[in-house]
Amino acid sequence: DSGVTQTPKHLITATGQRVTLRCSPRSGDLSVYWYQQSLDQGLQFLIQYYNGEERAKGNILERFSAQQFPDLHSELNLSSLELGDSALYFCASSVTGSHNYGYTFGSGTRLTVV
Amino acid sequence: DQQVKQNSPSLSVQEGRISILNCDYTNSMFDYFLWYKKYPAEGPTFLISISSIKDKNEDGRFTVFLNKSAKHLSLHIVPSQPGDSAVYFCAASDDRDSGYALNFGKGTSLLVTP
Repeated sequence: DSGVTQTPKHLITATGQRVTLRCSPRSGDLSVYWYQQSLDQGLQFLIQYYNGEERAKGNILERFSAQQFPDLHSELNLSSLELGDSALYFCASSVTGSHNYGYTFGSGTRLTVV
Repeated sequence: DQQVKQNSPSLSVQEGRISILNCDYTNSMFDYFLWYKKYPAEGPTFLISISSIKDKNEDGRFTVFLNKSAKHLSLHIVPSQPGDSAVYFCAASDDRDSGYALNFGKGTSLLVTP
């Protein structure tokens, strides 16, 4: 158990729907990162939050949004889902927003859009 | 645009021998490099990192070499053990541009056979 908790582990939904993925960072970690891993792709950075504030943005679609709450957990909202959004979504956390000792990843949420 | 490339999707090595995993990058602004290991149904786990001011970093059986002029890094595992069988991801970042977001390669699947 890495200490980063992602729920749900699996999600199957239909095109056009909206889902929310949840992440609880490791205790003491202030920064949360979201990554997407599609089939045969490396992990693609989506967005980073640090202590409630958005810090960096990657290739995140406009249909996707995220936030980090005062208790530091984070949610990734995916709307108007398309078949191509099917992927593994990983959340990671770190203490200061620095990756110098690596992020700690959760085990991911597997999203299947049918 | 894949800025971090792992051109070998898979590698098979005998137990006790050396495993060499390679990674190339295109962005000369990258200044920090990391390797992650991933087992099935788990998130990636940080393995080892190297700053661009160094050309070698060692941690037990794992050594990472960085050749900045060639924009190439490699991970050496000596001796290889069956428990090392996993997918290895190379990652890089440019702290000045994107906070601490990481750019990942697509991974190399290592199989260590007894």
